[in-house]
Amino acid sequence: AQSVTQPDIHITVSEGASLELRCNYSYGATPYLFWYVQSPGQGLQLLLKYFSGDTLVQGIKGFEAEFKRSQSSFNLRKPSVHWSDAAEYFCAVEGLLTGGGNKLTFGTGTQLKVEL
Amino acid sequence: NAGVTQTPKFQVLKTGQSMTLQCAQDMNHEYMSWYRQDPGMGLRLIHYSVGAGITDQGEVPNGYNVSRSTTEDFPLRLLSAAPSQTSVYFCASSAGRRNTGELFFGEGSRLTVL
Repeated sequence: AQSVTQPDIHITVSEGASLELRCNYSYGATPYLFWYVQSPGQGLQLLLKYFSGDTLVQGIKGFEAEFKRSQSSFNLRKPSVHWSDAAEYFCAVEGLLTGGGNKLTFGTGTQLKVEL
Repeated sequence: NAGVTQTPKFQVLKTGQSMTLQCAQDMNHEYMSWYRQDPGMGLRLIHYSVGAGITDQGEVPNGYNVSRSTTEDFPLRLLSAAPSQTSVYFCASSAGRRNTGELFFGEGSRLTVL
């Protein structure tokens, strides 16, 4: 079964500093990978996704992520963090369901705090 | 374009009460699912549906019931609420791998069971 590990529960960065959130996955085949962001009291918004092709994927809000098969990783990066980036970030790997549907297996999330 | 709509956004129940969380999507997606989110545990799959009339259990199905009579709607029923069901519930829909597997989420329903 697939699984996702986000080793950092909390991260604090200063506004304008660079950011890297770590994600490691376990999956038997080529994974479909996702990063979602959740602001307080809100639903989940897709930041970016990887399913094939270029291993460096660009997302919304200036985020990018790099798929490294050899390390089973899909780390999220941003060169310069803004105060509005403070939120919880979830990495997820897709799995297939009986009947043809798909589900996401999520990591436990990384809470990002941005210091002004 | 509404996407995935969940109601209610907030609900307080007493132990033993029943209720239904509503979910509707307007994207004509085949696949719908319910997740619960608990602190430090990410989101876990409760039940899912691969089409009208077809449902199945996810990782944490106990205490919940679902049905899918139409493509658009996928309600989640709590038959006899327990404090362990205090959580935030998210409904999601997907077109499956025809759309690169992306799940579209509702804004969540926060449930407290006293």
